Amino acid sequence: DAKTTQPPSMDCAEGRAANLPCNHSTISGNEYVYWYRQIHSQGPQYIIHGLKNNETNEMASLIITEDRKSSTLILPHATLRDTAVYYCIVRGGGSNYKLTFGKGTLLTVNP
Amino acid sequence: DAGITQSPRHKVTETGTPVTLRCHQTENHRYMYWYRQDPGHGLRLIHYSYGVKDTDKGEVSDGYSVSRSKTEDFLLTLESATSSQTSVYFCAISARADEETQYFGPGTRLLVL
Repeated sequence: DAKTTQPPSMDCAEGRAANLPCNHSTISGNEYVYWYRQIHSQGPQYIIHGLKNNETNEMASLIITEDRKSSTLILPHATLRDTAVYYCIVRGGGSNYKLTFGKGTLLTVNP
Repeated sequence: DAGITQSPRHKVTETGTPVTLRCHQTENHRYMYWYRQDPGHGLRLIHYSYGVKDTDKGEVSDGYSVSRSKTEDFLLTLESATSSQTSVYFCAISARADEETQYFGPGTRLLVL
């Protein structure tokens, strides 16, 4: 699986959009980009994933660049409860069981 | 939220004692996983199961065994607990192995004294 690079921490004001970047310059054609988050002491929570098209669900939007070497997770209206560590994970297709969690980005939403 | 429960949620035990952690799911998903999370290491896969009685090792399987006799239950056993196995253990499930989302349970905090 390709390696990902994320900033260690970010701040965001409550009610504003939070844009979390992720670099994955060695991603290959059949690898998906996944985003999870982990609120303190809880299990990781799936947010969204995509292959090459932008994706949106009730939680967030995922923007993947055309060359697929980077992506951005967008939380459109951050709340205090969105304070968490956000993980960007690149995972291949086929029988690849493991999710490799890096250190992620600690997003702190401030009032 | 996916129907995943873990038991116990917290456990304190002594070195050398056997410990069994249970993961129970109500989603009828085929795949189940055990991860551990430690500071500085992120989540690491211990064992996984791709069906009843079908299991395989992950990247940190030494000192752990697993069993899956029913679709809904995946047990993780520490045959003789050591202090290095103090960790938070997460169970996860997925319907398929390839590009399928994994859903995680609430975790079990294990302290081995």
